[in-house]
Amino acid sequence: QKEVEQDPGPLSVPEGAIVSLNCTYSNSAFQYFMWYRQYSRKGPELLMYTYSSGNKEDGRFTAQVDKSSKYISLFIRDSQPSDSATYLCATKHRSEGGGTSYGKLTFGQGTILTVHP
Amino acid sequence: KAGVTQTPRYLIKTRGQQVTLSCSPISGHRSVSWYQQTPGQGLQFLFEYFSETQRNKGNFPGRFSGRQFSNSRSEMNVSTLELGDSALYLCASSSQGELDTIYFGEGSWLTVV
Repeated sequence: QKEVEQDPGPLSVPEGAIVSLNCTYSNSAFQYFMWYRQYSRKGPELLMYTYSSGNKEDGRFTAQVDKSSKYISLFIRDSQPSDSATYLCATKHRSEGGGTSYGKLTFGQGTILTVHP
Repeated sequence: KAGVTQTPRYLIKTRGQQVTLSCSPISGHRSVSWYQQTPGQGLQFLFEYFSETQRNKGNFPGRFSGRQFSNSRSEMNVSTLELGDSALYLCASSSQGELDTIYFGEGSWLTVV
């Protein structure tokens, strides 16, 4: 079983719809949570970064973390065709003893989203 | 401020050959990590370097290696290439803070034939 599970979709929605993307994780050591967006043949681009349970909003995007149920979500309001991409959830351990690992992320499989006009 | 720069962007190699990929992190970033992305396995962590020292290593065979130079630039090498090594190889950089954002480059597309 993967440490981070994400429904790969594909997900197809009409323009203007609210999109909900979800991941679950199994390791309680994961303390930092990110959502990346990846366009075709491009590198991942950070959308949201949070490290506490609750909601974090940035424009049309809201990231939600529930550490008790090990569940993370990304909501996209008023979706646009330009939002069509692969969305990746990612998690990171908290570093212990002075910090030893800043760059190790564990990713979900990615969800392919298409927003059609 | 320039982003993470990876070279080459695209390359084709033959089975059995070896390949070296290069990464220049964002100026001031000392942590460089490498990932492999394939349709079947998704994004998987290869290794991380910080101040020229490997800090963490993923579950990949010894054919995959890397190094970091004093200017934080990094290279990764894959020896004895196999068809299954065909993938997008992504480099990421971050500063030395635990909460700091991890930024990715555009990747190097490797095709092994």
